[in-house]
Amino acid sequence: EIVLTQSPDFQSVTPKEKVTITCRASQSIGSSLHWYQQKPDQSPKLLIKYASQSFSGVPSRFSGSGSGTDFTLTINSLEAEDAATYYCHQSSSLPITFGQGTRLEIK
Amino acid sequence: VQILESGGTLVQPGGSLRLSCAASGFTFSSYAMTWVRLPPGKGLEWVSVISGSGGSTYYADSVKGRFTISRDNSKNTVYLQMSSLRAEDTALYHCAKINGPLSPLEYWGQGTLVTVSS
Repeated sequence: EIVLTQSPDFQSVTPKEKVTITCRASQSIGSSLHWYQQKPDQSPKLLIKYASQSFSGVPSRFSGSGSGTDFTLTINSLEAEDAATYYCHQSSSLPITFGQGTRLEIK
Repeated sequence: VQILESGGTLVQPGGSLRLSCAASGFTFSSYAMTWVRLPPGKGLEWVSVISGSGGSTYYADSVKGRFTISRDNSKNTVYLQMSSLRAEDTALYHCAKINGPLSPLEYWGQGTLVTVSS
């Protein structure tokens, strides 16, 4: 099973700040890494697929990069509505697995 | 795309339950569907996936032998039959649309809550 480790677990940030969340895989997964945003009482929403491809309708301030074992989700110019938990997910092999999540708090 | 899960409830340990996931807004039989759960205070955990035809199914080790995924393409619905339920199965169960077993989860439902407790 491929283990995904996100950092940090929690971050408190101010609006307009730039945020970086990392996801490290226990073995190489190519670019089969995806990012989701989950707000309280809502279903998760796909933000970035295959490491760097933005999903339809996602604001341009969200971007992804990386390949192999190290990946990054970047949120430029953070907005209050970005308060959420962010998860990475690998689809390189079954069982598919998720990172433990990064909770983003807006000050 | 709309995805709506149902069937979650309080059930005793050792009991059984069937969850349903009704989908619309896309050609249902062309897409795999998957179940992912969110235990209280924990992160997302993949449960099971079924191909568009229903001919291929896969399970997490934690539910293998206890859960069965199936689909009825005439009703645009996927099911998760859960048996021998344990306290650790308590979670919000989400259904999601995917292109294939190894694809990003494009659209998710709101989830249905399963609580296993005596």
